[in-house]
Amino acid sequence: GESVGLHLPTLSVQEGDNSIINCAYSNSASDYFIWYKQESGKGPQFIIDIRSNMDKRQGQRVTVLLNKTVKHLSLQIAATQPGDSAVYFCAERDAGNNRKLIWGLGTSLAVNP
Amino acid sequence: DAGITQSPRHKVTETGTPVTLRCHQTENHRYMYWYRQDPGHGLRLIHYSYGVKDTDKGEVSDGYSVSRSKTEDFLLTLESATSSQTSVYFCAISSGTSGRTDEQYFGPGTRLTVT
Repeated sequence: GESVGLHLPTLSVQEGDNSIINCAYSNSASDYFIWYKQESGKGPQFIIDIRSNMDKRQGQRVTVLLNKTVKHLSLQIAATQPGDSAVYFCAERDAGNNRKLIWGLGTSLAVNP
Repeated sequence: DAGITQSPRHKVTETGTPVTLRCHQTENHRYMYWYRQDPGHGLRLIHYSYGVKDTDKGEVSDGYSVSRSKTEDFLLTLESATSSQTSVYFCAISSGTSGRTDEQYFGPGTRLTVT
């Protein structure tokens, strides 16, 4: 497959625990943020997004929090499962060219059974 | 899954040869993107298209060209492949209905090895 051996920050959690993945973004003018999940050998998969006029958005087992004061984004995964093991990327819409996204380097989540 | 396919899925080629990767979508989305993914660099934008025959450069465009002659196809060409272009290449699409990118949907990737 297309697995890429990324040298990433790694978060290791026990199955059933909650996970929190953090991301700092670069531009206070950014108005849109997205979280992606990438499993080994696959392309990134959209998880959840949030616009800058919101502080929190919830999906199925996931919550995204946006703190514009400190330019910080977090992804919370409730009751983490082995299938959640993946690399997680945050991205922000480029305020200078809103046709593009600016990507973080990713965090590897390992779920221990 | 969004209707995005990439071809070929794997390719090995020699330095100096031309290579073309194809991205095909069935979603009629306006925006299409080519990224490369390498260890330690995450996803880096090569080129993108905001309409038929409308393309622009990304952050790592040197050595690459693109073409989009119809909505559904976006081609990435390496005119003369080099070993530094060994990578995994991902195509992505975005509806762009607001005139801006929102969520992007990715294809399965192409692993290119240049020997």
